[in-house]
Amino acid sequence: SQQGEEDPQALSIQEGENATMNCSYKTSINNLQWYRQNSGRGLVHLILIRSNEREKHSGRLRVTLDTSKKSSSLLITASRAADTASYFCATDGGYSGGGADGLTFGKGTHLIIQP
Amino acid sequence: EPEVTQTPSHQVTQMGQEVILRCVPISNHLYFYWYRQILGQKVEFLVSFYNNEISEKSEIFDDQFSVERPDGSNFTLKIRSTKLEDSAMYFCASSVYGPNEQYFGPGTRLTVT
Repeated sequence: SQQGEEDPQALSIQEGENATMNCSYKTSINNLQWYRQNSGRGLVHLILIRSNEREKHSGRLRVTLDTSKKSSSLLITASRAADTASYFCATDGGYSGGGADGLTFGKGTHLIIQP
Repeated sequence: EPEVTQTPSHQVTQMGQEVILRCVPISNHLYFYWYRQILGQKVEFLVSFYNNEISEKSEIFDDQFSVERPDGSNFTLKIRSTKLEDSAMYFCASSVYGPNEQYFGPGTRLTVT
């Protein structure tokens, strides 16, 4: 099955700096999504980018997708302490390819924003 | 803003017991999912459900697991005879349409002793 793998595994930056996380996957996808998870909590959907899109913005988030390289990046601009969390990419299309595809998650990037 | 809810937030059970985890998906969503996350590991897909039947399932979702939508609002995951390795956080998710955004509940932490 396909896998989303994020790098770096951990990232520590100063508040106000930009944070960039990368994700790679192995097989063809319909969509790629990014989620945030605060420690011990649920997953919060951040943004979805479709396989025919190359870039998408939402507030301070910018996501790119390069299907030729099977990779995506998530950029958080002007980081805040509240952005401290784990960030996961998740891909679909890895199961039967039907309409209710389960998502395949990577191991995540743990982002720490130093105040 | 509508959200997925899950109960209980924490369930402790003895090995071999049956547990039912409950979820209320977002009301206009048609696709429902269960995932689990063993402590410190990836979130793993278990099963998806659409039109009152299982749409897809992973290799984790063996005969010990079952899902049901007993009424118009609830979506349940049953583990028939729990094992120690079933200890994990279980997340329910729903989406309007399969390839769209999936919205996750806060999770049920299952501890099997």
